[in-house]
Amino acid sequence: DTAVSQTPKYLVTQMGNDKSIKCEQNLGHDTMYWYKQDSKKFLKIMFSYNNKELIINETVPNRFSPKSPDKAHLNLHINSLELGDSAVYFCASSQTRQGSSYNSPLHFGNGTRLTVT
Amino acid sequence: GENVEQHPSTLSVQEGDSAVIKCTYSDSASNYFPWYKQELGKRPQLIIDIRSNVGEKKDQRIAVTLNKTAKHFSLHITETQPEDSAVYFCAASGTGTASKLTFGTGTRLQVTL
Repeated sequence: DTAVSQTPKYLVTQMGNDKSIKCEQNLGHDTMYWYKQDSKKFLKIMFSYNNKELIINETVPNRFSPKSPDKAHLNLHINSLELGDSAVYFCASSQTRQGSSYNSPLHFGNGTRLTVT
Repeated sequence: GENVEQHPSTLSVQEGDSAVIKCTYSDSASNYFPWYKQELGKRPQLIIDIRSNVGEKKDQRIAVTLNKTAKHFSLHITETQPEDSAVYFCAASGTGTASKLTFGTGTRLQVTL
């Protein structure tokens, strides 16, 4: 009954490879996110999607391409992996409440630890 | 964009003592301030949040305060226990589909026996 699930949990790959991380949420939320947590534990937003539409695209290299086939899924494809891409990638979701004074809290997945060698 | 600063970066307290973590934010339009706890190797989990129309909120041993004028908010943990040891993140955001949660840099809390 995991609310936000992402796969794989661990990903070890060599520089130059292409890899994907998948995320699914069963909370009925309309907004999904990718966050990157580096070795210093900084949590930084990369992308957000609302009902399959890209809303936030931070200054992320275009080697990173998110895809949202429906509002319950948000995948992340990374091309030409580099050493600096090594991090933990967290998927998250929330419910936007239009006309309300707040959104619902962010629910995180368990993370994907990506190691690029 | 929003900038959230968090202090201290590490905090060591003895079991039973109180711990206080402070954050400041830059965007006066931010109106939602959650706190997340991240245990080693796990995902961040919401422990408490506060909205801009409230100055203080308490949940058992945890309390948050918000000073909108000064753009400060703080987390207070009383009667700390070893299981409180974790990294704590403050965050700030506005509302709407384009709002994003900006996190502070984290505080590693160590509760010693």
